[in-house]
Formats: sequence, structure tokens, C-alpha cells
Amino acid sequence: QSVLTQPPSMSAAPGQTVIISCSGSSSNLKNNYVSWYQQLPGTAPKLLIYETHKRPSGIPDRFSGSKSGTSATLLITGLQAGDEADYYCGTWDSSLSVGVFGGGTKLTVL
Amino acid sequence: EVQLVESGGGLVQPGGSLRLSCAASGFAFSSYPMTWVRQAPGKGLQWVSSIGLGGDTYHADSLKGRLTISRDDSGNILFLQVNSLTAEDTAVYYCARGGMSTSGLDCWGRGTLVTISS
Repeated sequence: QSVLTQPPSMSAAPGQTVIISCSGSSSNLKNNYVSWYQQLPGTAPKLLIYETHKRPSGIPDRFSGSKSGTSATLLITGLQAGDEADYYCGTWDSSLSVGVFGGGTKLTVL
Repeated sequence: EVQLVESGGGLVQPGGSLRLSCAASGFAFSSYPMTWVRQAPGKGLQWVSSIGLGGDTYHADSLKGRLTISRDDSGNILFLQVNSLTAEDTAVYYCARGGMSTSGLDCWGRGTLVTISS
């Protein structure tokens, strides 16, 4: 069982908006930056969002991140077939001094 | 081009040990914390260990006592030594640049598969 909780799966049609949630606690999400990763089938993960809401160079602005208290969200707008992937949130747990990931959300584009 | 290339994976017997390497190129290796992440077949990502700029190290609780992370800044190589391997250690092991407490893991290697089986 993961320290951070994500919905196991979500689905939406092309062009729609998806919100992927990530729930944690005061020792991890509330007081630390969150990052989001996209893992396409058969490939290594890729950083989508860092420091909660920043996008690395090359990541389209269809992807955005936010946080409130002990929960974080990844918003994907204008969904495309190529967005079909597993998405993971990650952060640091200050109490345990360990890195933590969510269990991952499998996004299906209908 | 920033590149991370893992090596050292393969088939290992239960109870054995392995030492993984990650060769870094295209960036100032000594200026970044580095992290190992693993992914068991069909499962999610699991943070394994991180090492900071000053050599401070952090390990997953489930692996404490069995692993050592180290770095060779002169050779731009990250290492992971894992002992007393069990079938539960079977996974793809990824090397990544960065740390979970800072700006995230912004560059990943392709991973190296470790299979623990007799």
C-alpha cells in the first residue's frame, strides 16, 4: 500500500479534461513539493511537473499541477490519445526521511 | 545531451547480492543529488534510495540494512549495492537525476532488469 493515494484508473474521451488526485499527509504532501511523472507503456517515467506546479521545458501547458493542504492534483486538458499512460505523484516524507510515490493512475483515452 | 545508463542487472539467486551502476553524461554529475527507483513487474514505482551532494544517503525502510548507495563524482557513476536478495527484489531498477525533496527526478535512465530466481 502506497503512502500517497491515487485513483487506480481513470478514463476520458479525447478533448476532455482529467483531474488526477494524490492524497497524502502533513508529513509529506503538506510541507513538501510534489512532482508528477508520466510513464508511457514500456518506457521509463518522465517528469511532467516539479515543485508542485512547474513544467520542465518541452512539457505542454495542457499539463498543470496544484496542491492544497495534504492533497495534490494533476490537471490534463485537451486530452489526446498520446496521453494514455500511467501517472504517478511523488514527494518527500519529512518524518520518515524517505521518498514516496503514489500507487499510480492508469489513464485511458477512450 | 543528458544521459543516464544503468548496468549490472541480470539473473541472481536468492540470497545473493548485486551491484548496479549508472553512468552519467551530459551534465555536471557532482552538482546533482541522485536517486534509484525500482518497479516490480506490473507494479508501480518504488523509491529505493537517494544520495545528496555531500554524500548524505537515504534508504527505503523496507530495504534498510541491505543496501548501499554511493557515487563516484570523478567518474560520473552512481552505484547501488543490494544484499540478501529475495524474489520481492525482482524489478526494473532506474537511475534518476535529482531528489524527491527538491525539484523531482528530471532525467531517468532506461532501467536495468534484476530477476531473483533459483
